[in-house]
Amino acid sequence: GAVVSQHPSRVICKSGTSVKIECRSLDFQATTMFWYRQFPKQSLMLMATSNEGSKATYEQGVEKDKFLINHASLTLSTLTVTSAHPEDSSFYICSARTSGREETQYFGPGTRLLVL
Amino acid sequence: DQQVKQNSPSLSVQEGRISILNCDYTNSMFDYFLWYKKYPAEGPTFLISISSIKDKNEDGRFTVFLNKSAKHLSLHIVPSQPGDSAVYFCAASYRGSQGNLIFGKGTKLSVKP
Repeated sequence: GAVVSQHPSRVICKSGTSVKIECRSLDFQATTMFWYRQFPKQSLMLMATSNEGSKATYEQGVEKDKFLINHASLTLSTLTVTSAHPEDSSFYICSARTSGREETQYFGPGTRLLVL
Repeated sequence: DQQVKQNSPSLSVQEGRISILNCDYTNSMFDYFLWYKKYPAEGPTFLISISSIKDKNEDGRFTVFLNKSAKHLSLHIVPSQPGDSAVYFCAASYRGSQGNLIFGKGTKLSVKP
């Protein structure tokens, strides 16, 4: 299947700092990427849909000014958690969608964020 | 309102036997369904999918069955192997939803040697 990478895999930061997470589709171009968050023992929660060359679409309840998304190219989307607080500690996962008749989302390995 | 439901949070199966993971949905607009496998602290891995024009799709040890009238799908793994132990998520989408996936809460499968 298609390969999606995320960087970094783990990050620990102080409260009030900003953290950037990169998501790359390595062997295909993705006009649409998605950002998810997973809490312990919970399902994946869609945060936003990232479209190349346009503004991201955020799900209800997700603060767009706090979670900045930039989809600068067909293979790269970034999520920046601004002014991070301990409650932002979570597992963030991105996915990239293939094009075609039956579109499939391929997921990155995830980024574990811990805000102290 | 949960549109995709996986009512069994866990399932335990003996190695070599069949594992059957179930998923129900409520939105009749869904026309594409996927199964993902997830290990702790990793992203989900795509396993198999099925579109609503089919009622069965098979890939190796994995088979997905779709019953549209019952709004039910299932994933069969046979024979089950210890390496299959993971959390399995069912997901659904429909054309016009930008490909957004709606996930179930997952079923944790344990395959015992």
